[in-house]
Amino acid sequence: GEDVEQSLFLSVREGDSSVINCTYTDSSSTYLYWYKQEPGAGLQLLTYIFSNMDMKQDQRLTVLLNKKDKHLSLRIADTQTGDSAIYFCAPRGGGGNKLTFGTGTQLKVEL
Amino acid sequence: DVKVTQSSRYLVKRTGEKVFLECVQDMDHENMFWYRQDPGLGLRLIYFSYDVKMKEKGDIPEGYSVSREKKERFSLILESASTNQTSMYLCASSSRARLNTEAFFGQGTRLTVV
Repeated sequence: GEDVEQSLFLSVREGDSSVINCTYTDSSSTYLYWYKQEPGAGLQLLTYIFSNMDMKQDQRLTVLLNKKDKHLSLRIADTQTGDSAIYFCAPRGGGGNKLTFGTGTQLKVEL
Repeated sequence: DVKVTQSSRYLVKRTGEKVFLECVQDMDHENMFWYRQDPGLGLRLIYFSYDVKMKEKGDIPEGYSVSREKKERFSLILESASTNQTSMYLCASSSRARLNTEAFFGQGTRLTVV
C-alpha cells in the first residue's frame, strides 16, 4: 500500500510563513489533498492539487507538487493563530476510491 | 450543508463488550470509510465500503467488522472490545461518481475501553 510521511510538529511565529511537507510512494496518485483538523473536530478539506499540476494557489495557501520526487508541500502565508491545527496530506491512489493519510503535522502558531 | 453524523462523541466501554459505532451520511455517497486516529500514527483505514452490502478490509481490520445494510449508514463493530482499541474513530464518505472524490468526515467518536 501507499506510505505517506510527514513531520509531526511545526512551530512558527504569527505573521511568518509555514511550510508543511509530505512525501508519498504511489506514483499513480491522481489527486493529492490537504486536510485540516482543528482541536476536537473531524477533518475538513483545505485544498487539493491534481497530479498534472506543479503548483496551485488559493489565497494564503500554495500547494507545490514534485511528481518526480513524490513530494508535496503546503505553504501558508501570513500564518495566524487560527491556523493552529493538525494538517494531513492524503494522496488518492490511482486504484480508485481510497485516501491514504499521513501521520499529520501539528502546526503551532506562537505570538 | 453536507453532513456525516456519528452517533456518539464519547463512549466508555468495558473490556469484552460488543461495541457498535454508527455513521450516517446525507449526501447519497457510494463510498464510506472507518478510520482510527492515534497520536503519531495519523489516520489508519480500518474498513471501507463502496456500495450497499459491499466491504473491503483496510490496513488494520483485525478485531473489527462492519455492516452496510443501507446506503446512508455504515456501522463499525468491535466484537470484543480491548484496551488497545481505545482511540478516536472517524467516519467519512465520498462520491464515486465524481473524479475528484473529496471525503467528508464526521466529528469523530472518542472510545475509551476500560
